[in-house]
Amino acid sequence: DQQVKQNSPSLSVQEGRISILNCDYTNSMFDYFLWYKKYPAEGPTFLISISSIKDKNEDGRFTVFLNKSAKHLSLHIVPSQPGDSAVYFCATRRSGGSNYKLTFGKGTLLTVNP
Amino acid sequence: DVKVTQSSRYLVKRTGEKVFLECVQDMDHENMFWYRQDPGLGLRLIYFSYDVKMKEKGDIPEGYSVSREKKERFSLILESASTNQTSMYLCASRENWGNQPQHFGDGTRLSIL
Repeated sequence: DQQVKQNSPSLSVQEGRISILNCDYTNSMFDYFLWYKKYPAEGPTFLISISSIKDKNEDGRFTVFLNKSAKHLSLHIVPSQPGDSAVYFCATRRSGGSNYKLTFGKGTLLTVNP
Repeated sequence: DVKVTQSSRYLVKRTGEKVFLECVQDMDHENMFWYRQDPGLGLRLIYFSYDVKMKEKGDIPEGYSVSREKKERFSLILESASTNQTSMYLCASRENWGNQPQHFGDGTRLSIL
Protein backbone atom coordinates (compact mmCIF):
# COMPACT_ATOMS: atom_id res chain seq x y z
CA ASP A 1 0.00 0.00 0.00
CA GLN A 2 1.47 3.30 -1.08
CA GLN A 3 1.88 5.58 1.90
CA VAL A 4 3.20 8.57 -0.03
CA LYS A 5 1.51 9.51 -3.29
CA GLN A 6 2.50 11.97 -5.96
CA ASN A 7 -0.52 11.73 -8.20
CA SER A 8 0.87 13.76 -11.09
CA PRO A 9 3.60 11.89 -12.96
CA SER A 10 4.43 15.04 -14.90
CA LEU A 11 3.87 18.78 -14.93
CA SER A 12 4.70 21.38 -17.56
CA VAL A 13 4.87 25.14 -16.86
CA GLN A 14 6.13 28.26 -18.58
CA GLU A 15 9.28 29.99 -17.43
CA GLY A 16 8.48 32.70 -14.89
CA ARG A 17 5.22 31.12 -13.77
CA ILE A 18 4.54 29.21 -10.57
CA SER A 19 5.12 25.44 -10.36
CA ILE A 20 3.08 23.57 -7.76
CA LEU A 21 4.00 19.99 -6.97
CA ASN A 22 1.73 17.98 -4.72
CA CYS A 23 2.14 15.05 -2.38
CA ASP A 24 -0.37 13.16 -0.22
CA TYR A 25 0.39 10.81 2.64
CA THR A 26 -1.70 8.37 4.61
CA ASN A 27 0.10 7.87 7.92
CA SER A 28 -0.51 10.49 10.63
CA MET A 29 2.70 9.32 12.34
CA PHE A 30 4.81 11.01 9.66
CA ASP A 31 6.38 14.09 11.25
CA TYR A 32 9.11 15.26 8.90
CA PHE A 33 8.76 15.95 5.21
CA LEU A 34 11.34 16.62 2.53
CA TRP A 35 11.55 17.43 -1.15
CA TYR A 36 14.37 16.19 -3.37
CA LYS A 37 15.21 17.16 -6.92
CA LYS A 38 16.79 14.70 -9.34
CA TYR A 39 18.41 15.33 -12.70
CA PRO A 40 18.99 12.41 -15.09
CA ALA A 41 22.16 10.42 -14.33
CA GLU A 42 22.62 12.19 -10.97
CA GLY A 43 21.59 11.35 -7.43
CA PRO A 44 18.70 13.16 -5.71
CA THR A 45 19.60 16.50 -4.19
CA PHE A 46 17.96 17.69 -0.99
CA LEU A 47 15.89 20.80 -1.65
CA ILE A 48 13.80 21.80 1.35
CA SER A 49 12.10 20.25 4.37
CA ILE A 50 9.43 20.95 6.95
CA SER A 51 8.59 19.44 10.30
CA SER A 52 5.04 18.76 11.42
CA ILE A 53 5.09 21.61 13.92
CA LYS A 54 5.11 24.09 11.03
CA ASP A 55 2.79 24.70 8.12
CA LYS A 56 5.18 26.61 5.87
CA ASN A 57 8.89 26.78 5.17
CA GLU A 58 10.51 29.06 2.63
CA ASP A 59 13.95 29.06 1.01
CA GLY A 60 14.42 31.52 -1.81
CA ARG A 61 12.20 30.54 -4.73
CA PHE A 62 11.05 27.36 -2.99
CA THR A 63 8.25 27.15 -0.43
CA VAL A 64 6.85 24.00 1.12
CA PHE A 65 3.35 23.98 2.61
CA LEU A 66 2.04 21.34 4.99
CA ASN A 67 -1.66 20.71 5.66
CA LYS A 68 -1.70 18.11 8.40
CA SER A 69 -5.46 17.75 8.57
CA ALA A 70 -5.59 16.94 4.86
CA LYS A 71 -2.30 14.97 5.01
CA HIS A 72 -1.11 17.03 2.07
CA LEU A 73 2.23 18.57 1.19
CA SER A 74 3.03 20.92 -1.66
CA LEU A 75 6.13 22.54 -3.13
CA HIS A 76 5.82 25.93 -4.81
CA ILE A 77 8.54 27.21 -7.11
CA VAL A 78 8.27 30.91 -7.97
CA PRO A 79 9.38 31.98 -10.50
CA SER A 80 10.06 28.73 -12.36
CA GLN A 81 13.25 28.53 -14.41
CA PRO A 82 14.30 26.08 -17.16
CA GLY A 83 17.02 24.77 -14.82
CA ASP A 84 14.28 23.59 -12.46
CA SER A 85 13.32 20.91 -14.98
CA ALA A 86 13.89 17.66 -13.09
CA VAL A 87 12.08 14.87 -11.26
CA TYR A 88 10.87 15.96 -7.81
CA PHE A 89 10.38 13.43 -5.04
CA CYS A 90 8.59 14.04 -1.78
CA ALA A 91 9.69 11.96 1.17
CA THR A 92 8.49 11.53 4.72
CA ARG A 93 9.82 10.13 7.96
CA ARG A 94 7.85 8.48 10.71
CA SER A 95 8.25 9.70 14.27
CA GLY A 96 9.70 7.38 16.91
CA GLY A 97 11.24 3.93 16.53
CA SER A 98 13.59 3.47 13.57
CA ASN A 99 13.14 7.01 12.35
CA TYR A 100 16.12 6.84 10.03
CA LYS A 101 13.97 5.62 7.19
CA LEU A 102 12.41 7.82 4.56
CA THR A 103 9.41 6.79 2.50
CA PHE A 104 9.47 8.29 -1.00
CA GLY A 105 6.76 9.09 -3.48
CA LYS A 106 7.17 7.95 -7.09
CA GLY A 107 8.16 11.40 -8.30
CA THR A 108 6.82 14.14 -10.58
CA LEU A 109 8.68 15.18 -13.72
CA LEU A 110 8.65 18.98 -13.95
CA THR A 111 9.36 20.58 -17.31
CA VAL A 112 9.82 24.34 -17.40
CA ASN A 113 9.51 25.68 -20.93
CA PRO A 114 11.48 28.77 -21.97
CA ASP B 1 29.65 19.91 1.46
CA VAL B 2 28.73 16.28 2.00
CA LYS B 3 30.34 13.95 -0.48
CA VAL B 4 28.89 10.51 -1.10
CA THR B 5 30.89 8.59 -3.68
CA GLN B 6 29.75 5.45 -5.45
CA SER B 7 32.60 3.49 -6.97
CA SER B 8 31.07 2.92 -10.40
CA ARG B 9 28.68 4.99 -12.50
CA TYR B 10 27.94 2.14 -14.90
CA LEU B 11 28.36 -1.59 -14.43
CA VAL B 12 27.50 -4.58 -16.60
CA LYS B 13 27.46 -8.06 -15.08
CA ARG B 14 26.19 -11.52 -16.00
CA THR B 15 23.39 -13.53 -14.44
CA GLY B 16 24.61 -15.55 -11.47
CA GLU B 17 27.64 -13.37 -10.74
CA LYS B 18 28.29 -12.00 -7.28
CA VAL B 19 28.25 -8.21 -7.55
CA PHE B 20 29.66 -5.64 -5.14
CA LEU B 21 28.57 -2.00 -5.13
CA GLU B 22 30.66 0.30 -2.98
CA CYS B 23 29.75 3.59 -1.34
CA VAL B 24 31.97 5.94 0.66
CA GLN B 25 31.01 9.12 2.52
CA ASP B 26 33.41 11.69 3.88
CA MET B 27 31.31 13.36 6.61
CA ASP B 28 31.54 10.81 9.43
CA HIS B 29 27.82 10.09 9.13
CA GLU B 30 26.41 7.31 11.30
CA ASN B 31 23.54 6.31 9.00
CA MET B 32 23.93 4.93 5.50
CA PHE B 33 21.35 3.60 3.03
CA TRP B 34 21.01 1.69 -0.22
CA TYR B 35 18.07 2.33 -2.56
CA ARG B 36 17.13 1.25 -6.03
CA GLN B 37 15.26 3.49 -8.41
CA ASP B 38 13.07 2.07 -11.16
CA PRO B 39 10.78 3.91 -13.59
CA GLY B 40 7.33 4.45 -12.11
CA LEU B 41 8.37 3.02 -8.73
CA GLY B 42 10.36 5.85 -7.19
CA LEU B 43 13.08 5.09 -4.64
CA ARG B 44 12.78 1.87 -2.69
CA LEU B 45 14.92 1.13 0.34
CA ILE B 46 16.95 -2.09 0.17
CA TYR B 47 19.01 -1.96 3.38
CA PHE B 48 20.26 0.60 5.82
CA SER B 49 22.89 0.80 8.51
CA TYR B 50 22.52 3.03 11.54
CA ASP B 51 26.13 2.51 12.64
CA VAL B 52 29.23 0.40 12.02
CA LYS B 53 28.46 -3.33 11.79
CA MET B 54 24.75 -2.59 12.29
CA LYS B 55 22.22 -3.19 9.53
CA GLU B 56 18.50 -3.42 9.03
CA LYS B 57 16.40 -4.66 6.15
CA GLY B 58 14.51 -2.12 4.16
CA ASP B 59 11.45 -2.72 2.03
CA ILE B 60 13.01 -4.94 -0.66
CA PRO B 61 16.01 -6.83 0.82
CA GLU B 62 15.51 -10.11 -1.04
CA GLY B 63 18.53 -11.08 -3.13
CA TYR B 64 20.79 -8.51 -1.47
CA SER B 65 23.10 -8.29 1.51
CA VAL B 66 25.22 -5.48 2.93
CA SER B 67 28.45 -4.92 4.80
CA ARG B 68 29.52 -2.02 7.01
CA GLU B 69 32.93 -2.73 8.51
CA LYS B 70 34.02 0.91 8.61
CA LYS B 71 31.96 3.99 9.30
CA GLU B 72 32.66 5.63 5.96
CA ARG B 73 31.97 2.63 3.74
CA PHE B 74 28.74 0.74 3.03
CA SER B 75 28.73 -2.09 0.50
CA LEU B 76 25.76 -3.63 -1.27
CA ILE B 77 26.16 -7.24 -2.41
CA LEU B 78 24.07 -9.04 -4.99
CA GLU B 79 24.65 -12.65 -4.01
CA SER B 80 23.68 -14.13 -7.38
CA ALA B 81 22.71 -11.42 -9.84
CA SER B 82 19.49 -11.78 -11.78
CA THR B 83 18.07 -9.75 -14.67
CA ASN B 84 15.36 -8.24 -12.44
CA GLN B 85 18.12 -6.56 -10.45
CA THR B 86 18.97 -4.36 -13.41
CA SER B 87 18.38 -0.90 -11.97
CA MET B 88 19.81 2.40 -10.77
CA TYR B 89 21.31 1.93 -7.32
CA LEU B 90 21.63 4.93 -5.01
CA CYS B 91 23.59 5.24 -1.78
CA ALA B 92 22.84 7.89 0.86
CA SER B 93 24.14 8.96 4.26
CA ARG B 94 22.98 11.24 7.07
CA GLU B 95 23.94 12.41 10.52
CA ASN B 96 22.09 10.57 13.25
CA TRP B 97 20.45 13.47 15.03
CA GLY B 98 17.40 15.67 14.64
CA ASN B 99 15.88 16.40 11.30
CA GLN B 100 18.90 15.78 9.13
CA PRO B 101 18.28 14.99 5.46
CA GLN B 102 19.85 12.10 3.60
CA HIS B 103 22.55 13.01 1.10
CA PHE B 104 22.83 10.91 -2.03
CA GLY B 105 25.60 9.76 -4.32
CA ASP B 106 25.25 9.96 -8.10
CA GLY B 107 24.14 6.37 -8.46
CA THR B 108 25.34 3.21 -10.18
CA ARG B 109 23.50 2.10 -13.29
CA LEU B 110 23.72 -1.70 -13.08
CA SER B 111 22.80 -3.94 -16.00
CA ILE B 112 22.54 -7.69 -15.53
CA LEU B 113 22.71 -9.62 -18.80
